[in-house]
Amino acid sequence: NAGVTQTPKFQVLKTGQSMTLQCAQDMNHNSMYWYRQDPGMGLRLIYYSASEGTTDKGEVPNGYNVSRLNKREFSLRLESAAPSQTSVYFCASPGGWSYNEQFFGPGTRLTVL
Amino acid sequence: GDSVTQMEGPVTLSEEAFLTINCTYTATGYPSLFWYVQYPGEGLQLLLKATKADDKGSNKGFEATYRKETTSFHLEKGSVQVSDSAVYFCALRVGAGNQFYFGTGTSLTVIP
Repeated sequence: NAGVTQTPKFQVLKTGQSMTLQCAQDMNHNSMYWYRQDPGMGLRLIYYSASEGTTDKGEVPNGYNVSRLNKREFSLRLESAAPSQTSVYFCASPGGWSYNEQFFGPGTRLTVL
Repeated sequence: GDSVTQMEGPVTLSEEAFLTINCTYTATGYPSLFWYVQYPGEGLQLLLKATKADDKGSNKGFEATYRKETTSFHLEKGSVQVSDSAVYFCALRVGAGNQFYFGTGTSLTVIP
């Protein structure tokens, strides 16, 4: 039972390149989330998916797209990377009693040059 | 709107010192409150939680009491250890809503 997994762990892109961050959970949870973490800003929600087949924008969705491929997987795509997207990206999925606990992946550290 | 404000760091303490990290919240409904901890190079993990007023969450020697009258959820530990060095995040969720709101994080370093 791996919980929430993310790939890759590290990535360096040039401005304008595209990439997809992958996230998978094996806890059979309905909801999945993508956050970015920046110094002094805490965690900011990019997109979330309350259930398979649905996605909704969070606080900072511009420049990103998401796909909820199935119940297990939720990917985040940067179509044309910008230096402002340099950040650490975390995938999470709530579970536990009343789905109150967010289970986080290990993160992807992305640098855009 | 719903939000969390926590004290800025970084905080540096000597081993066995007393720790307090302040957290206050604004919520439109009846929130559940959380403290998460992030160790270097890792994702966040739940440290403790409280789901209603006057509840006390506790784990690994850390405690926090949900104070509705002061809209606060301060994190405390009586005697910190070097292994407690991490970033601590206060967070809230209102009811069964989809959004979790996180504070900006407080970095704690404990020196021997």
